[in-house]
Amino acid sequence: RKEVEQDPGPFNVPEGATVAFNCTYSNSASQSFFWYRQDCRKEPKLLMSVYSSGNEDGRFTAQLNRASQYISLLIRDSKLSDSATYLCVVNPLYSSASKIIFGSGTRLSIRP
Amino acid sequence: GAGVSQSPRYKVAKRGQDVALRCDPISGHVSLFWYQQALGQGPEFLTYFQNEAQLDKSGLPSDRFFAERPEGSVSTLKIQRTQQEDSAVYLCASSLGNTGELFFGEGSRLTVL
Repeated sequence: RKEVEQDPGPFNVPEGATVAFNCTYSNSASQSFFWYRQDCRKEPKLLMSVYSSGNEDGRFTAQLNRASQYISLLIRDSKLSDSATYLCVVNPLYSSASKIIFGSGTRLSIRP
Repeated sequence: GAGVSQSPRYKVAKRGQDVALRCDPISGHVSLFWYQQALGQGPEFLTYFQNEAQLDKSGLPSDRFFAERPEGSVSTLKIQRTQQEDSAVYLCASSLGNTGELFFGEGSRLTVL
């Protein structure tokens, strides 16, 4: 079983729609969690951290469920520019001095 | 520049050839990571350093892969006797070490013929 698993998609949704992705992780001792965004043929970039209490950044909401070991990302009022691959990232520690694991990514395509 | 710099951006190697990929992290970043990304896949962890110490190399796929960071700054990933399955983008990332945010370079795309 992979340490971090994501639905690969692709998700193809119309502009303005709400879309949600989930990610599960196997290491129950994992401490910190993130969503990264990767555009085609570009490097990954941090989208947002995921906090235990859940957090929101504009149209994006991230949630963590430690009991079920999953992380979610919700995108509201999707824009064409949201088209990208979204990578779930799990860190065993709170600091970056650790083996940080990426999921295989969920592809999102927003259509006009 | 202010970001993570990787070279070469593109490398074509004949099977059996040795290659060396360089990563110049953001100045002052303590942690440095190498990932391998195949087409359509997420980045797969290879190894990471804290300063010059290689703390985890469990992701290196074989003993043909070797990474070093001798002075705690620039790092080199070396692949000996390249095979076709080594074809991928090799991503380097650095971090201050006190958060989980990684800053990636643009990657080195290796094609083994």
